Amino acid sequence: ETGVTQSPTHLIKTRGQQVTLRCSSQSGHNTVSWYQQALGQGPQFIFQYYREEENGRGNFPPRFSGLQFPNYSSELNVNALELDDSALYLCASSRGLSYEQYFGPGTRLTVT
Amino acid sequence: KQEVTQIPAALSVPEGENLVLNCSFTDSAIYNLQWFRQDPGKGLTSLLLIQSSQREQTSGRLNASLDKSSGRSTLYIAASQPGDSATYLCAVDKETSGSRLTFGEGTQLTVNP
Repeated sequence: ETGVTQSPTHLIKTRGQQVTLRCSSQSGHNTVSWYQQALGQGPQFIFQYYREEENGRGNFPPRFSGLQFPNYSSELNVNALELDDSALYLCASSRGLSYEQYFGPGTRLTVT
Repeated sequence: KQEVTQIPAALSVPEGENLVLNCSFTDSAIYNLQWFRQDPGKGLTSLLLIQSSQREQTSGRLNASLDKSSGRSTLYIAASQPGDSATYLCAVDKETSGSRLTFGEGTQLTVNP
C-alpha cells in the first residue's frame, strides 16, 4: 500500500510568483487536508477536500486555492507569493471525514 | 476558538529515563486527539490516536492518556532512547469539523546517550 506522497520536495520561488504543490493520497482515501508549518511552529490548517469538494477552510487568504481530482489526488496553488509563505506544506489524507489522518513528507517552499 | 498548548517546549533527558509530555486544549468538544512525531525537516508520523470516548492508548513504549473534561492529554515514553529524539506534536480534531486538526507548537525532545 502506497502512502501519501508529495511533490516537489523542495521549491524556491520569488516574491510575486505563483506555485503549485501536489499530493497523492493513500489508496482508499477520499479526503485530503493541507497544512502550512512555519519554522518552529505547529502546522496550521489551510483547507480540506472531500470527494472533490472543499469542506472547510482555515484562516488563509483567497490566494491560497486548491483542487481535488477524481482519483482524490490534490493540488495546492498559491498566487502572489509573499516572503511569509515560506514554510513546510503538509498534505494529509484519510478514508473519510473525522478518520485518522496520514501525512506526507511535505514540500519545503522558500520564497525569496 | 480551539487553542492547544504543549509543555515543556523543549526537554533534554539521559537515555533510559521515563518521561511525560503534556498537552492541553481549551475546548473540550473534541472528536479525537492524536500524538505525532516529527523529525527535523520531515513530515509527521502518527504515534497514537485517542477517540474522545477513550481514556488511553498504548503502543510499545508509548502510552497516551486523555482527560477530555479537563482538556488534557499526556504522552508517556518509557525507557527513552536516543532514537526517540524528535519533536512531538499533539493535535485535536473538533467535533463536527471533519478532520481539521488543531496543533500545538510541539515539544522538542533530546535523549542523550
